[in-house]
Amino acid sequence: SQQGEEDPQALSIQEGENATMNCSYKTSINNLQWYRQNSGRGLVHLILIRSNEREKHSGRLRVTLDTSKKSSSLLITASRAADTASYFCATVLIQGAQKLVFGQGTRLTINP
Amino acid sequence: DAGITQSPRHKVTETGTPVTLRCHQTENHRYMYWYRQDPGHGLRLIHYSYGVKDTDKGEVSDGYSVSRSKTEDFLLTLESATSSQTSVYFCAISQEASTDTQYFGPGTRLTVL
Repeated sequence: SQQGEEDPQALSIQEGENATMNCSYKTSINNLQWYRQNSGRGLVHLILIRSNEREKHSGRLRVTLDTSKKSSSLLITASRAADTASYFCATVLIQGAQKLVFGQGTRLTINP
Repeated sequence: DAGITQSPRHKVTETGTPVTLRCHQTENHRYMYWYRQDPGHGLRLIHYSYGVKDTDKGEVSDGYSVSRSKTEDFLLTLESATSSQTSVYFCAISQEASTDTQYFGPGTRLTVL
């Protein structure tokens, strides 16, 4: 079963708009990470947020974490065509094996 | 791709044949991972290694074996390939704890006919 689930599964917006993707998870986590995957390529790490953090920024990216709701969001501001990709959240559980568990991803399309 | 190469990048094989995929890193990272990516399933961990000759199973390890005789190389073997193993396979590495950021290779597209 998937620990992390992204929502929506697909998102299409106009260039310059903001894009928001959400990730929900089921059990307590050590940290949550967001990755990007361009078509036909490997995943690229974007941001890691720890369970005691609420918000992190990196350039045009903003990630929030609400452990009470077991959810995270990734906001991309002022989107560009190059942001077109799939975005995955991955969680590390507190209990059990300390490995990343990936969600199924959100497919983001930025229209010029 | 952070000093990670995978070979081959594409392979077509027949059911029942053995297949070995290679992951090579130049980062001297301790942890190495093999994932498979399939539509509707995201990435799923097959096996991982936490040091030379130290490996453990992941979520979907049946039908796969791994070996790590050197820090830089992690091999994934399908002893007798099946059509259900048609997938894109990704290798990843992380420096220290398995909770660290992972860096991914470019992937190998495997088709089993």
